[in-house]
Amino acid sequence: QSALTQPRSVSGSPGQSVSISCTGTSGDVGDYDYVSWYQQHPGKAPKLIIYDVRKRPSGVPDRFSASKSDNTASLTISRLQAEDEAEYFCCSYAGGYTFVFGTGTKVTVL
Amino acid sequence: EVHLVESGGGLVQPGGSLRLSCAASGFNFDRYAMSWVRQAPGKGLEWVLIISGDGATTDHADSAKGRFTISRDNFKNTVDLQMNSLRAEDTAVYYCAKSGYYDDRHFFSWLFDYWGQGTVVTVSS
Repeated sequence: QSALTQPRSVSGSPGQSVSISCTGTSGDVGDYDYVSWYQQHPGKAPKLIIYDVRKRPSGVPDRFSASKSDNTASLTISRLQAEDEAEYFCCSYAGGYTFVFGTGTKVTVL
Repeated sequence: EVHLVESGGGLVQPGGSLRLSCAASGFNFDRYAMSWVRQAPGKGLEWVLIISGDGATTDHADSAKGRFTISRDNFKNTVDLQMNSLRAEDTAVYYCAKSGYYDDRHFFSWLFDYWGQGTVVTVSS
């Protein structure tokens, strides 16, 4: 149950795009399409922004998109806005009733 | 509207015990699994335990093995986390999270779509 690997930080200017990778193994990301992504602002609870690899819950802007290839999932934030500055975590179902989160990525809007 | 409200956090000495509770409302509670997810200060999210909607199945992360147990009361719509033999490294914000989602076609997805505000557990002498 090792944490999924994410870059510690990424940054971009308003209007630009940034991408965050999430690398797991064949026992989690590679085996299941239950990859989800969460946005967390300081002092707040996480918020679901992507589920089932690429689906967006109602109310999440289409600037957020995601995909998966083999053992790596990716989140892309397009048309970056100041309010996107937050920590982002991926999460994968890992079989049975188990889950593993990513290490987290701090997105900075320059 | 879905609401999850955690309670029971506080300061506890190493080796001590603490019981957290999460009160749920706004959804068919017994239809969904519930998880506890924690976040140590300045660290990432860590899934800790889960319990199925009917309470028959539980699972846990290695960090919880033999020390933490999860239970639920589907009449009171609550889910509890009993933590024993607490260590300094258990210091964290503990969130309860609704685990799983059925879409309009009743297809199921594993995700954490609703979270409580968290309760702080500090293990220190």
